[in-house]
Amino acid sequence: QVQLQQSGPGLVKPSQTLSLTCGISGDSVSSDSAAWNWIRQSPSRGLEWLGRTYYRSKWYTDYAVSVKSRITINPDTSKNQFSLLLNSVTPGDTAVYYCARVGQIAVASYLYFGMDVWGQGTTVIVSS
Amino acid sequence: QSVLTQPPSASGTPGQRVTISCSGSTSNIGSNTLNWYQQLPGAAPKLLIYSRNQRPSGVPDRFSGSKSGTSASLAISGLQSEDEADYYCATWDDSLKGWVFGGGTKLTVL
Repeated sequence: QVQLQQSGPGLVKPSQTLSLTCGISGDSVSSDSAAWNWIRQSPSRGLEWLGRTYYRSKWYTDYAVSVKSRITINPDTSKNQFSLLLNSVTPGDTAVYYCARVGQIAVASYLYFGMDVWGQGTTVIVSS
Repeated sequence: QSVLTQPPSASGTPGQRVTISCSGSTSNIGSNTLNWYQQLPGAAPKLLIYSRNQRPSGVPDRFSGSKSGTSASLAISGLQSEDEADYYCATWDDSLKGWVFGGGTKLTVL
């Protein structure tokens, strides 16, 4: 059974860097059939995908346009985890942050993708 | 505004069949598989439907999905009180090169 365990501070000061980690058990961050994502949720923005990292013979990352200049997602193969760094935060970055795996199932030679495993969520408040 | 459009609310009585719609465009729903998620209060979203009627193990077959062109819908039959939750649609958007979500539909079981 795959599980994701999030860790990181719940309070960050404006202009500083938000840092969260997602530990993986039951799967590998280097899996060639999964992608590792960060999503956040707030009343004003709803559910917002932030970015992903995945391994397909080499490492790839994709970021949402809305945060592309401020975000870094890194895999850590030695600890089987991945991290989120979001710099220059403002109160608008206050949200519940989730990590999630995009897994896949094969049905009749067709692949279906979905965020099938989620972390427990971390409430991050940006305030001085 | 969310890239995918859902009605903000829906309701039904126990045993009824309820549908929730999700509208998008050719770059998202029109090109990729559409997921449905259920979020109970205080919990992370849970994958209900990979696409159409492909469900993760453990999800009852009371939940089903359909898609036509750039729209999709989630149907819940035999409505139960524990189905009261927020429901979200989501898919990959080829133009934005990222996952996009609907704004969510709050389902009330009367």
